[in-house]
Amino acid sequence: EVQLVESGGGLVQPGGSLRLSCAASGFTFSSYAMSWVRQAPGKGLEWVFAVSGSGGHTYYADSVKGRFTISRDNSKNTLYLQMNSLRAEDTAMYHCAKGGSGWYGEGGLDYWGQGTPVTVSS
Amino acid sequence: QSALTQPASVSGSPGQSITISCTGTSSDIGGYNYVSWYQQHPDKAPKLMIYDVSNRPSGVSNRFSGSKSANTASLTISGLQAEDEADYYCTSYTSSSTLVFGGGTKLTVL
Repeated sequence: EVQLVESGGGLVQPGGSLRLSCAASGFTFSSYAMSWVRQAPGKGLEWVFAVSGSGGHTYYADSVKGRFTISRDNSKNTLYLQMNSLRAEDTAMYHCAKGGSGWYGEGGLDYWGQGTPVTVSS
Repeated sequence: QSALTQPASVSGSPGQSITISCTGTSSDIGGYNYVSWYQQHPDKAPKLMIYDVSNRPSGVSNRFSGSKSANTASLTISGLQAEDEADYYCTSYTSSSTLVFGGGTKLTVL
């Protein structure tokens, strides 16, 4: 059974940093692209970042360019999102999601974690 | 990259069929066959319902179907059931190597 469990969210002041983690199990982690998708309270879904199965290629939304970094440790079956220079508009539930194929654009996002909440406020 | 355009809400009675549209541009929906649809119940994680325009993942009811014409994708739900009441989101791969979501559609089963 595929499981994705996020952690690391919390309350942080504007300008601060957080690192989110997503522990994966139930599939060959290194064979699939992974994405982070966020959802602000009462709002829709926003794709944030994707990384290839090998970790060698990353793709991001303009809204987080230069502030967020995605990475993965295939030996630990874990995905990360390093978030720096956080802003109030980054407040959201952050979900990790498994790609349906080795490339994030194809196959949809077929499994999602329950998410970890991030609140940016002073 | 602007969000894809979905109707804010749609509704239907049990047993009826409804269609949710998702409109983009030639740089996203019109340029690639990488459109997906997600169902989200309140306080739950999204669930993949359709991928690559018209493919259904294993376990998803065949009452759900997807299609695309030019820059508009569509999700059709036939034989509406109470459990289908949820928010639905489309997404597409884009020429900027990003994924873009629609704003979401709230489906009400009357």
